[in-house]
Amino acid sequence: EAGVAQSPRYKIIEKRQSVAFWCNPISGHATLYWYQQILGQGPKLLIQFQNNGVVDDSQLPKDRFSAERLKGVDSTLKIQPAKLEDSAVYLCASSLDFQGSTEAFFGQGTRLTVV
Amino acid sequence: AQKVTQAQTEISVVEKEDVTLDCVYETRDTTYYLFWYKQPPSGELVFLIRRNSFDEQNEISGRYSWNFQKSTSSFNFTITASQVVDSAVYFCALSEARRGAQKLVFGQGTRLTINP
Repeated sequence: EAGVAQSPRYKIIEKRQSVAFWCNPISGHATLYWYQQILGQGPKLLIQFQNNGVVDDSQLPKDRFSAERLKGVDSTLKIQPAKLEDSAVYLCASSLDFQGSTEAFFGQGTRLTVV
Repeated sequence: AQKVTQAQTEISVVEKEDVTLDCVYETRDTTYYLFWYKQPPSGELVFLIRRNSFDEQNEISGRYSWNFQKSTSSFNFTITASQVVDSAVYFCALSEARRGAQKLVFGQGTRLTINP
């Protein structure tokens, strides 16, 4: 079974530029998550989708971050404009559903460096 | 608010030693789930175990074992006879459910290095 696919693996941009990340979840998984992992910290949830609807985006900095999940499958996360503190690994995860008992499967992440 | 604390930032042991990773959590929920994930250098988080708040039985899977104690709000992870391949960052996480949404709250992680 294919895992969660993310691209690109690495990205370096200058501050104030924009960037987009792509995620393809495991086939059949209704729930998709984007997490931000700053170096030396645990992942922090940015946004959660159930199919193509947003369930939780309470920790998403909406003035600069946006995300969409068209047709309830692939998802993109965009940052515009980027700040230095956005340097982190952005992890996409998916699960069969949103129940607390369901484990999430993670992609390898996109490492973003803002200079 | 939910919180997960992994007080050990880094642990380094020699191969074949046993090692325990500590995890303490805070929650006001009566129903919750606890997880352990492993993050190897490749970056992805690999699921290791899930435990629900009503099941305090310890679990053993090969060289891995988990000790869940609600009385002390702890969910510790022990690797017996450690191997170099166990080197990774390990995260403990707590799942809360709000308005039908599952949210994993992670600890800071423990970097485990197994030396040959």
